[in-house]
Amino acid sequence: NAGVTQTPKFQVLKTGQSMTLQCAQDMNHEYMSWYRQDPGMGLRLIHYSVGAGITDQGEVPNGYNVSRSTTEDFPLRLLSAAPSQTSVYFCASSSWTSGGRGTQYFGPGTRLLVL
Amino acid sequence: KQEVTQIPAALSVPEGENLVLNCSFTDSAIYNLQWFRQDPGKGLTSLLLIQSSQREQTSGRLNASLDKSSGRSTLYIAASQPGDSATYLCAASQTGANNLFFGTGTRLTVIP
Repeated sequence: NAGVTQTPKFQVLKTGQSMTLQCAQDMNHEYMSWYRQDPGMGLRLIHYSVGAGITDQGEVPNGYNVSRSTTEDFPLRLLSAAPSQTSVYFCASSSWTSGGRGTQYFGPGTRLLVL
Repeated sequence: KQEVTQIPAALSVPEGENLVLNCSFTDSAIYNLQWFRQDPGKGLTSLLLIQSSQREQTSGRLNASLDKSSGRSTLYIAASQPGDSATYLCAASQTGANNLFFGTGTRLTVIP
């Protein structure tokens, strides 16, 4: 049971380049989300999904795109990287049942540097 | 919009001391509140989750309380150890969604 995995661990991009951050979970969780962590600002929600085929925007969605074709995977795409997107990105997942919304489990993070 | 605040930003205590970390939130319509631990350069590890209908949760030396009416949660750590040194984050989820609103954390240092 690997939990939540993220790749790559670290990435350097040039301004204007695009890339996809990968996230996968093996806990059969319905809910998945992406956060970014910046110094002094705490984690902020980018996009989230409550199931395959369903996605929605969080607090800071601009410049990012997501899709959810399977329960396990929730990739985050940077369309045209900007220096302001330099951050640490975390993927999280949790159960989403009528009985309650459970503990959120986080991946190890992807450190992104945009030059 | 939910605002979550954690005070102090940093705390240094001698080993063995009991300590309390504070978390406050502006909107009492939360679904649950979760405490996390983050080690430098690492991801977040969930410590405790308190549902909105609960008043406290305990795990080992950790005890978290929730007072929705006053918009406060506390994390109590008993008999602190150097291995407890980390940043502690609290996060509140809103009713109707599982999206978390995070505080900026308290960086704890336990001195041997």
